[in-house]
Amino acid sequence: QVQLVQSGAEVKKPGASVKVSCKASGYTLSSYYMHWVRQAPGQGLEWMGMINPSGGSTSYAQKFQDRVTMTRDTSTSTVYMELSSLRSEDTAVFYCARERDPIAVAGSGEFDYWGQGTLVTVSS
Amino acid sequence: QLVLTQSPSASASLGASVKLACTLSNGHSRYAIAWHQLQPEKGPRFLMKVNSDGSHTKGDGIPDRFSGSSSGAERYLTISSLQSEDEADYYCQTWDSGIRVFGGGTKLTVL
Repeated sequence: QVQLVQSGAEVKKPGASVKVSCKASGYTLSSYYMHWVRQAPGQGLEWMGMINPSGGSTSYAQKFQDRVTMTRDTSTSTVYMELSSLRSEDTAVFYCARERDPIAVAGSGEFDYWGQGTLVTVSS
Repeated sequence: QLVLTQSPSASASLGASVKLACTLSNGHSRYAIAWHQLQPEKGPRFLMKVNSDGSHTKGDGIPDRFSGSSSGAERYLTISSLQSEDEADYYCQTWDSGIRVFGGGTKLTVL
C-alpha cells in the first residue's frame, strides 16, 4: 500500500532554513509527481510546488519561488523540501502529497495520498 | 485567474445529509476538482475527483456515503448518514498547467 512518511517536527530561528523529508513506499517514486502543501495555524491549505522525481525538474508557486527548493533521492525513495530565510509567518504544518496519475499518463492533477504532516515552528 | 470559492462553515445533524459546494472562477467552469478531508490531528485524505459532467472517482476505502456532483461551475460533495467522525475541514482542489489551487475550506460541524 502507498505510504508517505515525513520527518519529525522542527523548531527553527528566524532567518534559518528547514529541510523536511517525505519517504515514499508501496510504489515507484520516479513514476509520480510529488507536491508540497502547507497549512499555517488557523489557515487553509496552500500549494507550494512540485517535483518530478524522475528527472528532478521542479515547478514552484510564485509566492515561494525565491525561498523553496525541492529535491529527491531516488535511491531511498525520498523527496525533500527546503525552505530558507524562515520568518514567524512560516510556522505551519507541511505536507507532501502524491499526484494521482502517473507522470507518463500526464492526466489530471489531483492528490491521492498525503503524508502525515510535519510541524515547523519558527520562533526566536 | 483560477480560483475556488467555498463557504467557511456548514453544519448538519447526526444521521442527516449535507451538501458542500465549491465554485470555480469565471472561465473555468469545465474544470474538474478533487475533494479532500482534513480531520483534527490527522493528515488530509483524498475523497474523490469530480468532473464537470458530475461523474466522480473515489479514493481508496471511501464509503458510499460520500458522493460528488456538478452543476455549471459548482462542484459538490454530499455526505449522507452523517457520523461524528465526519466533523472535519473539507477542501476542494483543482489544477492547471504547472499550478495547483485549493479552495479556502469548509468547516463541517456535526450537531
